[in-house]
Amino acid sequence: GQSLEQPSEVTAVEGAIVQINCTYQTSGFYGLSWYQQHDGGAPTFLSYNALDGLEETGRFSSFLSRSDSYGYLLLQELQMKDSASYFCAVRSGDSSYKLIFGSGTRLLVRP
Amino acid sequence: SAVISQKPSRDICQRGTSLTIQCQVDSQVTMMFWYRQQPGQSLTLIATANQGSEATYESGFVIDKFPISRPNLTFSTLTVSNMSPEDSSIYLCSVEEGINTDTQYFGPGTRLTVL
Repeated sequence: GQSLEQPSEVTAVEGAIVQINCTYQTSGFYGLSWYQQHDGGAPTFLSYNALDGLEETGRFSSFLSRSDSYGYLLLQELQMKDSASYFCAVRSGDSSYKLIFGSGTRLLVRP
Repeated sequence: SAVISQKPSRDICQRGTSLTIQCQVDSQVTMMFWYRQQPGQSLTLIATANQGSEATYESGFVIDKFPISRPNLTFSTLTVSNMSPEDSSIYLCSVEEGINTDTQYFGPGTRLTVL
């Protein structure tokens, strides 16, 4: 089977840096992706890591360590609009190839 | 990126009735997905809808309760049948684009309340 663990809630102040961790267990690993979802909105794709290392996209970066089954999303120069839920996701290791989402981390950015 | 619309955006229904949710994509896609999300919770995949074949349902979801249609490559419907208050949730459709990127695009969702 597969499972993902991420913190349920993180709080940070505007302008700071926050890291949201995700550890996963899956029988077959293809890559780790991250999605953002604002309250009342739809999930939106942020990033995807298939190989070890850091991927940077503006203020957001995502890191993957395949040997540790671990990744994180790094948000820099936090803004109030970054307050949202963040989900990590992996492909299932079975033939369905479906996307499995973590339980989500609710980020609250305070002034 | 694909643009997805869903109808209705929200509805309040009586128990025992059925509701059909429509999902329209602005481009042709092979697979469409239907998810359920309780407020503050993660996304749970209900089924994968493939054009020209029966939908593939996840454990805990059955066709009699959640019949799905996929008449063409841009449209799908999900029906929530014989509703009970436990079906109150947000229902989202999504499509996948790109190869080896795990990129899914989601519709805005349908917020269903069953009384």
